[in-house]
Amino acid sequence: AQTVTQSQPEMSVQEAETVTLSCTYDTSESDYYLFWYKQPPSRQMILVIRQEAYKQQNATENRFSVNFQKAAKSFSLKISDSQLGDAAMYFCAFALTGANSKLTFGKGITLSVRP
Amino acid sequence: DTGVSQDPRHKITKRGQNVTFRCDPISEHNRLYWYRQTLGQGPEFLTYFQNEAQLEKSRLLSDRFSAERPKGSFSTLEIQRTEQGDSAMYLCASSSPPRGTQYFGPGTRLLVL
Repeated sequence: AQTVTQSQPEMSVQEAETVTLSCTYDTSESDYYLFWYKQPPSRQMILVIRQEAYKQQNATENRFSVNFQKAAKSFSLKISDSQLGDAAMYFCAFALTGANSKLTFGKGITLSVRP
Repeated sequence: DTGVSQDPRHKITKRGQNVTFRCDPISEHNRLYWYRQTLGQGPEFLTYFQNEAQLEKSRLLSDRFSAERPKGSFSTLEIQRTEQGDSAMYLCASSSPPRGTQYFGPGTRLLVL
């Protein structure tokens, strides 16, 4: 079975600064996907960024980038130039490749952005 | 692409009543997932459909829960004889190979009194 651990329940960042959210996972599989999802208060879960395990290059999406360390089973999210709209709960998630790519989520981290 | 929709958005019911939720996936997506999310936790997988076939059910899905996707399009999740412990947000997501990224609906928040 796969597990995802987000050990920081809360983090805070000053607007325009950079923040890194941590995530570790455990699996015996070699082929899988990793995701960061954002869930604003009382709003829909949206995909922030996705990483395929076979790719060595770290994924980036505008201000969002990841540091994927496959050997260490670590998958952190870096948010640059933080904005007030980045305030939300962030979930790290894991999925195997193949037919049932169900997501296994961490407990999430609440990010607040100080103006 | 109108996104994943769920209905109702909120449901309050009394213990022992039956409730049914509906999910409409993104139209070209053949995979549909149900998750349950309790306050302050990450979503937990409940069940998965590929087209109309229900291919996996979690241990979390007790006998009181049933899900269907009769024509491979929308899906329903029914909870019979609701209990207070069923209070949660029920999320639906859909995806399509090969990339398989799941897109979530807004969820149905259930409160069992």
